[in-house]
Amino acid sequence: AQSVTQPDIHITVSEGASLELRCNYSYGATPYLFWYVQSPGQGLQLLLKYFSGDTLVQGIKGFEAEFKRSQSSFNLRKPSVHWSDAAEYFCAVGFTGGGNKLTFGTGTQLKVEL
Amino acid sequence: NAGVTQTPKFQVLKTGQSMTLQCAQDMNHEYMSWYRQDPGMGLRLIHYSVGAGITDQGEVPNGYNVSRSTTEDFPLRLLSAAPSQTSVYFCASSSTRGAYEQYFGPGTRLTVT
Repeated sequence: AQSVTQPDIHITVSEGASLELRCNYSYGATPYLFWYVQSPGQGLQLLLKYFSGDTLVQGIKGFEAEFKRSQSSFNLRKPSVHWSDAAEYFCAVGFTGGGNKLTFGTGTQLKVEL
Repeated sequence: NAGVTQTPKFQVLKTGQSMTLQCAQDMNHEYMSWYRQDPGMGLRLIHYSVGAGITDQGEVPNGYNVSRSTTEDFPLRLLSAAPSQTSVYFCASSSTRGAYEQYFGPGTRLTVT
């Protein structure tokens, strides 16, 4: 079965600093990959997704992620973090033949220091 | 366009009580699913459905029932609530035609005492 690892439970960055959240997955075939963001007390909002093609994908709110097949990774990046980016971020993976089922990582809680 | 709606937002149950969490979507999505979210564990799939009349178990199905009589609705039933079912429950839907990204409801926070 596929699995998703987000090795960082908590990350703190200063406002204006760059951000990288790590996501690694394990599955033999080409996955399709997602990043979601969850603000306190809210549901999950899709930031970006990768299905195929260009391995660098752009999302909403200035986020981007790069799919690296050789490293089984799909790290999320933002060049300059805003205080409003403080939230929990989830990486999720699905795969061809698995239908719409997604496996989620355990999440990374982002704190932004002013 | 309301997207995915869930009711109630909050619920407190006593051990042994039953209840139904409601989920509805207005996007004509074939796929619907229920997750529970617990601290440090991410989202875990409880049950899912690929269309009306078709349901299947996810990772943590014990203690929960689902049915799908219409495309729009996918209720989750707790048969006999236990404290271990204290969690935040999310419903999600997606199209089965290529897109796959799931749209989430706002969640139901359930406490079982």
